[in-house]
Amino acid sequence: DGGITQSPKYLFRKEGQNVTLSCEQNLNHDAMYWYRQDPGQGLRLIYYSQIVNDFQKGDIAEGYSVSREKKESFPLTVTSAQKNPTAFYLCASRTSGGPVTDTQYFGPGTRLTVL
Amino acid sequence: AQSVTQLGSHVSVSEGALVLLRCNYSSSVPPYLFWYVQYPNQGLQLLLKYTSAATLVKGINGFEAEFKKSETSFHLTKPSAHMSDAAEYFCAVSDRGNQAGTALIFGKGTTLSVSS
Repeated sequence: DGGITQSPKYLFRKEGQNVTLSCEQNLNHDAMYWYRQDPGQGLRLIYYSQIVNDFQKGDIAEGYSVSREKKESFPLTVTSAQKNPTAFYLCASRTSGGPVTDTQYFGPGTRLTVL
Repeated sequence: AQSVTQLGSHVSVSEGALVLLRCNYSSSVPPYLFWYVQYPNQGLQLLLKYTSAATLVKGINGFEAEFKKSETSFHLTKPSAHMSDAAEYFCAVSDRGNQAGTALIFGKGTTLSVSS
């Protein structure tokens, strides 16, 4: 069954700790994305990767880091430098058939709470 | 630069009534536009997208949207609301217009409530 999986669904972290959110896709998509969602603010882009071993910062990359060692995986690390990390994090991947067919598909999300 | 404005953070309708969720966009190039739906504590599901093939786009669950260039709008409608339509809806534009986009720019979302 093809799709995007994110784990864990809920994550609790103490202040000062780094934490890594998992995102895996078996859709054979080249491009992957991380968004952060806060109430009333929509989704904001953290990082994206268009190909293995390459990634770019989005609008709110400070305090986050990523890696893209495999096509299927795009983990996000929330570091202690992120001042307000409590949020809902969404991973997405995109088809690459061309502009008309390009579509982003989303995983189920991880809700991170800093205690 | 591309941007999206969703008018109304909260819309309430009665079951069976017309649903209208408003989205206006700003784009320096012909845009690709999207509507997504999100149920509580879930990811986003694509409802429909506009890619310049037709100005009236039909999506899933009975929703449709009309692209109006003169009004820079892409409003989402459904003739008759169901209780199951209660969710948050996001309008988005591709950050490279109608080129192969790298990311989506989202509006802040509109929460739809449906009462019986």
